[in-house]
Amino acid sequence: QQQVKQSPQSLIVQKGGISIINCAYENTAFDYFPWYQQFPGKGPALLIAIRPDVSEKKEGRFTISFNKSAKQFSLHIMDSQPGDSATYFCAARVSGAGNMLTFGGGTRLMVKP
Amino acid sequence: NAGVMQNPRHLVRRRGQEARLRCSPMKGHSHVYWYRQLPEEGLKFMVYLQKENIIDESGMPKERFSAEFPKEGPSILRIQQVVRGDSAAYFCASSPRGINQPQHFGDGTRLSIL
Repeated sequence: QQQVKQSPQSLIVQKGGISIINCAYENTAFDYFPWYQQFPGKGPALLIAIRPDVSEKKEGRFTISFNKSAKQFSLHIMDSQPGDSATYFCAARVSGAGNMLTFGGGTRLMVKP
Repeated sequence: NAGVMQNPRHLVRRRGQEARLRCSPMKGHSHVYWYRQLPEEGLKFMVYLQKENIIDESGMPKERFSAEFPKEGPSILRIQQVVRGDSAAYFCASSPRGINQPQHFGDGTRLSIL
């Protein structure tokens, strides 16, 4: 019930291409969906987040698409750059119910120059 | 640096010893969360604390693990009688008071058990 499933586990994209990472959840009480970026040896850094009352949110080259009926959301990285190479985690939270985040398993992105 | 501070960054312990991990939240943040990350896996929630209170410890193992966030000083995650399976990266996050606040993470403590 609390799981968040993330795919793919790893992704290789050419510089300038589009990176797409997908997540699916089961708990319909989730109402906050952040994406985190993690570099080796560092903690996760909040990248962008969305609430289920909108279907898309864009910040620079990063876009979240949200499909409430399918219980899926995805991260799109446009014009991918080698500096985007990192591990990306989707997460979900039930606001007010402890505030803990439930994380997906992560996607290791490599952007080739 | 006004971010979440964790120390030590690396900790090596022998089986049976105790491990103490410290976390100082961002300035103005009164909520602290601890997560554990095993190699090649996502982060798993352990415990949520406010000053002098444990709000949710549903992710904490029932034995050997404890956490506190005293009125003064950092939050402490304590692991007694460590075993090899405790080897992981332990991350602390903090957020301001109020619902729907984003969590900001520290750079973690890498715990290795010999």
